[in-house]
Amino acid sequence: EAGVAQSPRYKIIEKRQSVAFWCNPISGHATLYWYQQILGQGPKLLIQFQNNGVVDDSQLPKDRFSAERLKGVDSTLKIQPAKLEDSAVYLCATKQSGGLINEQFFGPGTRLTVL
Amino acid sequence: GDSVTQMEGPVTLSEEAFLTINCTYTATGYPSLFWYVQYPGEGLQLLLKATKADDKGSNKGFEATYRKETTSFHLEKGSVQVSDSAVYFCALRGNNDMRFGAGTRLTVKP
Repeated sequence: EAGVAQSPRYKIIEKRQSVAFWCNPISGHATLYWYQQILGQGPKLLIQFQNNGVVDDSQLPKDRFSAERLKGVDSTLKIQPAKLEDSAVYLCATKQSGGLINEQFFGPGTRLTVL
Repeated sequence: GDSVTQMEGPVTLSEEAFLTINCTYTATGYPSLFWYVQYPGEGLQLLLKATKADDKGSNKGFEATYRKETTSFHLEKGSVQVSDSAVYFCALRGNNDMRFGAGTRLTVKP
C-alpha cells in the first residue's frame, strides 16, 4: 500500500515570498491533516479536512496560510507571504474515517527554510 | 487545554541498555495515548497506543502502560539496539485533535 506522498521534500525561499506544498493521501483516506513541526518541538495541527470540508482550522494563521482539498483527495497548503518564523517541517497525515482511534499515517514532510 | 510533557533529550545509551522515556499528560475526559517514532529523513510512524486506563501498548519490544492515577504513559524497552536511534513523540487524542510532546531524541551507540 502506498503511503502518504508529499512534495517538495525541501524548499528554501526568502521572506515575503510565497510557497505551496502538496499532499496526496493514502487511497480511501477521507480525513487529512496538515501539521507544522518547528525544530525541537512536536507537530502542531494547522488544519483538518474531512473529505473536501474543513473540520478544524482554529490554529491556522489565516492572514498568511491557506489550504484546500477541492476534490477530497489531494491537498495543498500555501503560505503567502512567508515569514522567518515559518521555517519548519510541514507534515501531512491522513486516516480512514470512522472510529476515534484510527491511526494517522504521516508523510515524510516538507522542510521549509525561510531566509 | 490538553497537553503532553515528555522527557527532554537527547538520550544516549549503549546497545542493550534499558530505556525509559517519561511522558505525562493533562487532559479532560479520557484521551487515547500514543507513542510515535520518527527515523531520520522519514515521517512519523505509530509505535504503540493505548485507549483506556491500565491498557498496555507494545510493539517491537517497546511497551507503555496507560496510568490514569499518575497521568503517565512512559515508554520502555528492555534492550535497545542501534536501529532504535530516532526521535520519539508522546501524543494524546482527546475529543478531536492530536497533541504531541516536544519529542525525545534517542541515540544508541554500539
